[in-house]
Amino acid sequence: EAQVTQNPRYLITVTGKKLTVTCSQNMNHEYMSWYRQDPGLGLRQIYYSMNVEVTDKGDVPEGYKVSRKEKRNFPLILESPSPNQTSLYFCASSLKRLAYYNEQFFGPGTRLTVL
Amino acid sequence: AQSVTQPDIHITVSEGASLELRCNYSYGATPYLFWYVQSPGQGLQLLLKYFSGDTLVQGIKGFEAEFKRSQSSFNLRKPSVHWSDAAEYFCAVVRTQGGSEKLVFGKGTKLTVNP
Repeated sequence: EAQVTQNPRYLITVTGKKLTVTCSQNMNHEYMSWYRQDPGLGLRQIYYSMNVEVTDKGDVPEGYKVSRKEKRNFPLILESPSPNQTSLYFCASSLKRLAYYNEQFFGPGTRLTVL
Repeated sequence: AQSVTQPDIHITVSEGASLELRCNYSYGATPYLFWYVQSPGQGLQLLLKYFSGDTLVQGIKGFEAEFKRSQSSFNLRKPSVHWSDAAEYFCAVVRTQGGSEKLVFGKGTKLTVNP
């Protein structure tokens, strides 16, 4: 089944404890992206990757890191989480660049709470 | 920069009534526009998209949207709402800047359906 998977789905952690949220897609998609969703703010892009080893900042990259060593995986790293990073996180992928008529497929989301 | 505005934060309709969700975009050329739906506790699912051509776009679940350049709008419609349509709806536009591409979302409209 074609899908985007994220792990973990729920995570409660403490300030400063490094964590990684994994994202994997099995559709051979080139474009992958991370978003955070906060009430009243909609979805905001954190980082995106147009292909392997090509990543770029979105609108709210502060406090996050990403890597794209393989086409299928795009982990989101919080080196030193803070309470303002408590949010619902979505990973998404699309076959190619967004402007080439491509739909983004979203993962189920990861709810992160930083105490 | 390209952006979208969803003027209505929350809309309530009765089951069987018609629905129109508003979306206004800001973009000079022909935009790439999307509507996504997020059911409670779920990720986002694409309802429909517009890139060019026919200004009336048909999507899944009986939804349609009309692109009106003169009004900078891309409103989502459904002739008869079902209780299962209760969800949050997001309009989005592809933003291109310096060779990079991002999907920019509106803040969402939450739809409540009364029996």
